[in-house]
Amino acid sequence: NAGVTQTPKFRVLKTGQSMTLLCAQDMNHEYMYWYRQDPGMGLRLIHYSVGEGTTAKGEVPDGYNVSRLKKQNFLLGLESAAPSQTSVYFCASSYLGQANYGYTFGSGTRLTVV
Amino acid sequence: AQSVTQPDIHITVSEGASLELRCNYSYGATPYLFWYVQSPGQGLQLLLKYFSGDTLVQGIKGFEAEFKRSQSSFNLRKPSVHWSDAAEYFCAVGAGDAGKSTFGDGTTLTVKP
Repeated sequence: NAGVTQTPKFRVLKTGQSMTLLCAQDMNHEYMYWYRQDPGMGLRLIHYSVGEGTTAKGEVPDGYNVSRLKKQNFLLGLESAAPSQTSVYFCASSYLGQANYGYTFGSGTRLTVV
Repeated sequence: AQSVTQPDIHITVSEGASLELRCNYSYGATPYLFWYVQSPGQGLQLLLKYFSGDTLVQGIKGFEAEFKRSQSSFNLRKPSVHWSDAAEYFCAVGAGDAGKSTFGDGTTLTVKP
C-alpha cells in the first residue's frame, strides 16, 4: 500500500550538476504532476502528464524536463542545476473519472543547490 | 485563470477551541475545491473535497468545509482543535483540464496547550 514514492528524499547538488528525481505510484493513476514548494509561495506546477508517453508544461517549467515512459513512473530531470532550483519537490498522482478527486502526494525531495 | 487566496498566513488557537481557516478562489466555472494538510517534513494529505451537491462537506480528522458560491469561499472548520492538528493547511482549486490544481500559499496553524 505504498501510494506515491519519491526518491531520493534529500540531495545536495553543485551548480551545473544534473540529476533525476523519480516518482513511482502503484494506484494505476493516469495523471501525474511535479510541483515545487517554496516558503510563502505555496505549490507551483512544473510539469504534468495525462498518461503514459505524454507530458506537458506547467506554470514554472524552465530548467526542468520530464519523462513518462511507464504509466507508474514520472521522472523529473534537472540538466544544469542552479541555486534558484533549491526547493522541496513533490510528486502527485490523480484519478480523473467523471470528476477531479484530488491528489495523492509523495513525501517530497528536498534539493539544495550550492 | 484560476487562483486561490488564503488571507491568513498564521493562526494560533488554544486546544479545544474552534477553528476556521479562510479560502477564497477565482474560477470561471463550478470549481473543484480541496483542502490539504501538511505536517512538518511530510507531503500533503487530502482532507476533503467539493465538486457538487451539498455545500457542506465532511472530511477526515473531524474537519468540514462550506462552499459559498456567492462569496467565492471554501472555508475550513473544526469545532474543537487538538494539538495534533498543528500543521500547514492548503486550499486548492482544481480544473477539469488535466486535473491541474492551483494552491494557495498556505496557513500555518499553531495550537496552544
